[in-house]
Amino acid sequence: SQQGEEDPQALSIQEGENATMNCSYKTSINNLQWYRQNSGRGLVHLILIRSNEREKHSGRLRVTLDTSKKSSSLLITASRAADTASYFCATDAGGYQKVTFGTGTKLQVIP
Amino acid sequence: NAGVTQTPKFQVLKTGQSMTLQCAQDMNHNSMYWYRQDPGMGLRLIYYSASEGTTDKGEVPNGYNVSRLNKREFSLRLESAAPSQTSVYFCASILSGGTYNEQFFGPGTRLTVL
Repeated sequence: SQQGEEDPQALSIQEGENATMNCSYKTSINNLQWYRQNSGRGLVHLILIRSNEREKHSGRLRVTLDTSKKSSSLLITASRAADTASYFCATDAGGYQKVTFGTGTKLQVIP
Repeated sequence: NAGVTQTPKFQVLKTGQSMTLQCAQDMNHNSMYWYRQDPGMGLRLIYYSASEGTTDKGEVPNGYNVSRLNKREFSLRLESAAPSQTSVYFCASILSGGTYNEQFFGPGTRLTVL
């Protein structure tokens, strides 16, 4: 069963707008990561947030983590057409760094 | 530095045929993973290898076998392919023991079983 569930499943916005996607998970975690997947490609790591962190920034990306609600959000500011992709959250509870992926949010940014 | 490479990129099999998907990484990573990705299902872990010489089952191991040939290479074998194994397969690696748990992914193998 999937650990992470992204919401919404699909999102369509205009270029320049902000995009927010959410991830909920079921069990305690050590880390939560966000990955991007362009159509027909492998996943690319975007950002990692640890369970003792609440917010993290990387360029136009902002990630928040609320461990009490078992949820995370990814905000992409000033979106570009090149941001069109699927975005996945992934969680791990340590050990052999076994990572569990969610079902993804498909983002379309319209030029 | 090629990162994670996978061969083949595409493959069509008939039910009952066997094949091996190859994966190699040149980043001196310790851990390697095989996932399958199906529409609406995200990525599901098939097998992983925490270090050279060890392999463990993931969420969906039935119908698959793996070999960690050396530190660089981790292969996935389908002994008797079934239509339910039609999927996109991704290999990934990670530098265990480091500060981060970022996984590096290969480009994927698109497999169709008729």
